[in-house]
Amino acid sequence: AQSVTQLGSHVSVSEGALVLLRCNYSSSVPPYLFWYVQYPNQGLQLLLKYTSAATLVKGINGFEAEFKKSETSFHLTKPSAHMSDAAEYFCAVTRTGRRALTFGSGTRLQVQP
Amino acid sequence: EPEVTQTPSHQVTQMGQEVILRCVPISNHLYFYWYRQILGQKVEFLVSFYNNEISEKSEIFDDQFSVERPDGSNFTLKIRSTKLEDSAMYFCASSEWDRVDTGELFFGEGSRLTVL
Repeated sequence: AQSVTQLGSHVSVSEGALVLLRCNYSSSVPPYLFWYVQYPNQGLQLLLKYTSAATLVKGINGFEAEFKKSETSFHLTKPSAHMSDAAEYFCAVTRTGRRALTFGSGTRLQVQP
Repeated sequence: EPEVTQTPSHQVTQMGQEVILRCVPISNHLYFYWYRQILGQKVEFLVSFYNNEISEKSEIFDDQFSVERPDGSNFTLKIRSTKLEDSAMYFCASSEWDRVDTGELFFGEGSRLTVL
């Protein structure tokens, strides 16, 4: 079985500060990992994905994530937070041959002026 | 920009009633999905659908649930006899490709179902 754990249901940062949202995965086979963002009253939007190519993945809106097998982690970072980054962020995992994504419980990011 | 649209945005129903949630996937997409999120809990996979057949389903997707593509544009989720625990936000998604490592899932804004 596969799962992801997101540490911290709420994260608050100041505008311009580093954003770090944590995700650890559990998988007995090579995983595919994803970060999705949900803005208020909108659907989930793909930020970036890891599918066994480069371990450092760049996504939209200046976000990136690094796959670290030794730490079973796929943390999401952004060097400088913007007010528009305030949203809920979901980490998700799947594997080859499966269609279902298994989501984490989400982290709500607040950006303070 | 093409998008997945869902109706209704919010539905309130009495326990035991049938509910149909509707989705219009992106027009050239062939793979369709339903996920749900109970308030305060994780987003959970329900079912995937391709070529008029269920291709994968979770244990949540029991006999009370069914999916259908009644015409060339709509994709529906039916709950036959709603229970209180069916109250959740239901997300429809579609993709152009079967493999999630090559194809992105596009999600709708969700339909909130409240069962009283």
